[in-house]
Amino acid sequence: DAMVIQNPRYQVTQFGKPVTLSCSQTLNHNVMYWYQQKSSQAPKLLFHYYDKDFNNEADTPDNFQSRRPNTSFCFLDIRSPGLGDAAMYLCATSRDDWTVNTEAFFGQGTRLTVV
Amino acid sequence: SQQGEEDPQALSIQEGENATMNCSYKTSINNLQWYRQNSGRGLVHLILIRSNEREKHSGRLRVTLDTSKKSSSLLITASRAADTASYFCATAPHKYIFGTGTRLKVLA
Repeated sequence: DAMVIQNPRYQVTQFGKPVTLSCSQTLNHNVMYWYQQKSSQAPKLLFHYYDKDFNNEADTPDNFQSRRPNTSFCFLDIRSPGLGDAAMYLCATSRDDWTVNTEAFFGQGTRLTVV
Repeated sequence: SQQGEEDPQALSIQEGENATMNCSYKTSINNLQWYRQNSGRGLVHLILIRSNEREKHSGRLRVTLDTSKKSSSLLITASRAADTASYFCATAPHKYIFGTGTRLKVLA
């Protein structure tokens, strides 16, 4: 059974039109992460939530926002998508943060195309 | 900033051969983890090795850790076509920040 679910798997959006990607988890994990991965590149951490505490990476563009209304759900909002934002977006969870010996669980990703 | 870096960047082997890839990191760690990513999919956790461990096995996977050299290796024995994927390492407590990975291709 899928434990980290991302919807949709494929998303096409227009240049400049706000888009929201969603992630849900059945693991009851404290931490949820969003990554951006472009072709043949490393997944790039955008931000994460530890419970309700939001932690933004220093180089994450302001165009990217996130919401976590409850433990199970986390959303990635791209306010004005540009062509350079086309990528795979990965959601992940972990029981606790990386200071303890815990693994991360990833969803299957959402492939975003900007036209 | 990037903590773990995998090498080689790409590796192509025949089915049945062993595949070895390496991860080097910069600062001290609590643990090191290896993940696999099939094309167009999310990452899947393979194995976690703690800083006080030197070797760990899981099925056909063998991971070693040398904290004095700040490096780890992942060995996949008797490789199969299904092992074709990208492999990434991540270290704690440095967030789940990944290098560019090793792209393994196993030829049938």
